Amino acid sequence: GAGVSQSPSNKVTEKGKDVELRCDPISGHTALYWYRQSLGQGLEFLIYFQGNSAPDKSGLPSDRFSAERTGGSVSTLTIQRTQQEDSAVYLCASSLVGSIVGYTFGSGTRLTVV
Amino acid sequence: AQRVTQPEKLLSVFKGAPVELKCNYSYSGSPELFWYVQYSRQRLQLLLRHISRESIKGFTADLNKGETSFHLKKPFAQEEDSAMYYCALSKHNTDKLIFGTGTRLQVFP
Repeated sequence: GAGVSQSPSNKVTEKGKDVELRCDPISGHTALYWYRQSLGQGLEFLIYFQGNSAPDKSGLPSDRFSAERTGGSVSTLTIQRTQQEDSAVYLCASSLVGSIVGYTFGSGTRLTVV
Repeated sequence: AQRVTQPEKLLSVFKGAPVELKCNYSYSGSPELFWYVQYSRQRLQLLLRHISRESIKGFTADLNKGETSFHLKKPFAQEEDSAMYYCALSKHNTDKLIFGTGTRLQVFP
């Protein structure tokens, strides 16, 4: 596609339920990133996929969070047993590594845990 | 560890006034620095990066390694500059970006 696509755009879930957030990056972009955007916290790095390398998971806040990237393209971020503090906008971005044009961000998934 | 600090959550100015959005970083090596912008109801997008030494929409930013700063400046603010601005750092161009907490710029008519 022409840009980074994320789905759903909004998700309301009950505390304790699992959620899956999807990111479809720009075709050919080898790097894919997940960030969490919340008020007062800015953009918090979660996880980074680069080609066939092992992902950088250093930003995942707990073992309830996991992500995978299948076939070097689409990525899914899974949050298990959601908590109210997980409420945030989850942003995905992709890039050509080393590109001077930087990241291309998706429009995000707004997650609300009630 | 790398860290990016944006001390101001909100900066309000009148149209035509100069603007400086502050960004300080901590990293022992030679980082790459960026400014990203998010206009209302739009996606986060790259504004400029220090390595390009460019001026975008009248904004410039100079990397000061001595002060570990990368402040964003514009001599005459416009109402359309109102947005959320994020400073970001990466160790090298193959690494993830670490973002600051952002500064909301409000430009009043």
